[in-house]
Parts: sequence; C-alpha cells; structure tokens
Amino acid sequence: DQQVKQNSPSLSVQEGRISILNCDYTNSMFDYFLWYKKYPAEGPTFLISISSIKDKNEDGRFTVFLNKSAKHLSLHIVPSQPGDSAVYFCAAPTPGRGNQFYFGTGTSLTVIP
Amino acid sequence: DTAVSQTPKYLVTQMGNDKSIKCEQNLGHDTMYWYKQDSKKFLKIMFSYNNKELIINETVPNRFSPKSPDKAHLNLHINSLELGDSAVYFCASSQEGGLAVWETQYFGPGTRLLVL
Repeated sequence: DQQVKQNSPSLSVQEGRISILNCDYTNSMFDYFLWYKKYPAEGPTFLISISSIKDKNEDGRFTVFLNKSAKHLSLHIVPSQPGDSAVYFCAAPTPGRGNQFYFGTGTSLTVIP
Repeated sequence: DTAVSQTPKYLVTQMGNDKSIKCEQNLGHDTMYWYKQDSKKFLKIMFSYNNKELIINETVPNRFSPKSPDKAHLNLHINSLELGDSAVYFCASSQEGGLAVWETQYFGPGTRLLVL
C-alpha cells in the first residue's frame, strides 16, 4: 500500500548547485504534504510542508512545488550545501482523521564539496 | 538535552521472545507515536496515542501493544517475536491539533531490532 513514492533512492549534487528531489502520490484525497530530513542514527525532522491549496511554498533555501494534476511534488534546495547531505522523505497524512501517515521510501542526497 | 529518547538503541533477540522498547519525551507533548521502518525503508505508523485515545493501524499484529505509564512515556511491547519484526522502530511525539500535529512531530533516534 505505497501511497507515497520516491523513485530515486539516491542523488548526488555539487555544492552550490540545485538539488531536486521528487515524490509522487496515488491518493487524490491527500491535501497536505510534508518533507522530512533524516541524518544517520537520528529520527526524521520536519523540514517544510505544503497545502493542496498552494502550488509552491518557500522557506529559505528550500522550496516545495506541488502539481496536483500530476500527483507530484518536488523539493528544491538552492544552493545545495554539504550539510544538506541526508535522507529526505516526503510524507502525507490522510485527511480528517490523521492517524494514517504515509512516508515515501526516501532519497539519499549527497552534496559534494 | 534530548527531546525524544528511546532505549535500547540496538536489540538483538531470539524468535519467540517478548521484548520492550522504551520511549520518553520531555517536550510536554500530548500525543505519542510508534513507527516501524522495514528493510525496504518504508516508514509506517503503528500507533498514535494520547490520554484520550489509542489509534491503532489495523495492519499491526496484536502481538504489538503500546503501554503508557504517563504522558511522557509510551513503551512498545512485542510478544512472541518473529523474524519479520526485524526493523527500526521510531518513537515520536507531537502537539495536538490540526496539521500542526505533523509539523511539530519530533522523532527519537530509533531502535534497531534484529530477531534471529
């Protein structure tokens, strides 16, 4: 029951360039999405979110884009820094009773100095 | 000053044993969670719990049971461990109320369980 998918398990980017991490979802009822960042031996930490009433949300170097018709969202990191190297998960709760919370399988980002 | 802590970090045990993983949060949050990350890296919510309601993901076997001695703790008990229970288990906590639940969700570092 993989309702949130991240098809790229890994991504390498040069420092200073743009990192683009992609996420697709299948449940058209999702109306809110989040990105989490995870370092080794730590739990995920919340990074940025977007509501389905928007198509873009920006927070400093991080921007999330949502394309509802394509059921696709992406996280852009500009400029990428070595400290951004981590695993990034997209996630979505079920609307209403939010006890169901779906994570993607994650994309491991490596930013090369 | 750890916000959400879990013990132990690593747990290796035999099939059929009963084990517990402890979780504590010092954030004053009302809601706590257990997640399981399997070998394919899927992170799935198992339980969410506050002092009012326990919500169980229907796919979780009843060998798994959360126990909350107080608001700051949510321990996970697993009976009759099976090979397929091998995974990383994350505890989390959050504030109550709307979408802030997910944005204020803090995770522990995870407990790596290996069942032999």
